[in-house]
Amino acid sequence: GDSVTQMEGPVTLSEEAFLTINCTYTATGYPSLFWYVQYPGEGLQLLLKATKADDKGSNKGFEATYRKETTSFHLEKGSVQVSDSAVYFCALYHAGNMLTFGGGTRLMVKP
Amino acid sequence: EAQVTQNPRYLITVTGKKLTVTCSQNMNHEYMSWYRQDPGLGLRQIYYSMNVEVTDKGDVPEGYKVSRKEKRNFPLILESPSPNQTSLYFCASSGHRDRGPGTQYFGPGTRLLVL
Repeated sequence: GDSVTQMEGPVTLSEEAFLTINCTYTATGYPSLFWYVQYPGEGLQLLLKATKADDKGSNKGFEATYRKETTSFHLEKGSVQVSDSAVYFCALYHAGNMLTFGGGTRLMVKP
Repeated sequence: EAQVTQNPRYLITVTGKKLTVTCSQNMNHEYMSWYRQDPGLGLRQIYYSMNVEVTDKGDVPEGYKVSRKEKRNFPLILESPSPNQTSLYFCASSGHRDRGPGTQYFGPGTRLLVL
């Protein structure tokens, strides 16, 4: 079946540092890929998505590129802020099914 | 305002006492689903619904029931709660005409403690 694997956290960075959160997936066919973010005390919200190979999703300075050859969708940001502290979830969607989530990666950004 | 609402937000109950967590969305979405979030396990899907009167099991359906009698509502029922159902529960919805079924809108969560 489908699965998503994320790097374990927490990831602790200083403000303005470069961020990478790794995500790899196992799925047949061509799923759509997503990053969701969960701020403290809130539900998840969509951060970005990519629906086909080589697509790049971007939002709020975050980027991720759908790499079919490496089955990856790594999340990056050039300069993190304290307000980016949250839990980040990688997920995939296959038509006819619902979302499959990774385990989540907690990011903590220190001033 | 487009939103998914859940009630209650916090609930403490005892083993075996039936409870219902309500979920409602105002976006006319076809898809709705329930997840539970546990430390180290991420989000796991409990049940989902593709439309009214159409429901199906997710990854962890044991001990839960759902119904979809109206498009906007998707309640989660625990007939006989047990301590291993202590968790943080999220309802989510998505629609064909919105940004696709993979793009889900989440409610604020319901934190359940079963003693």
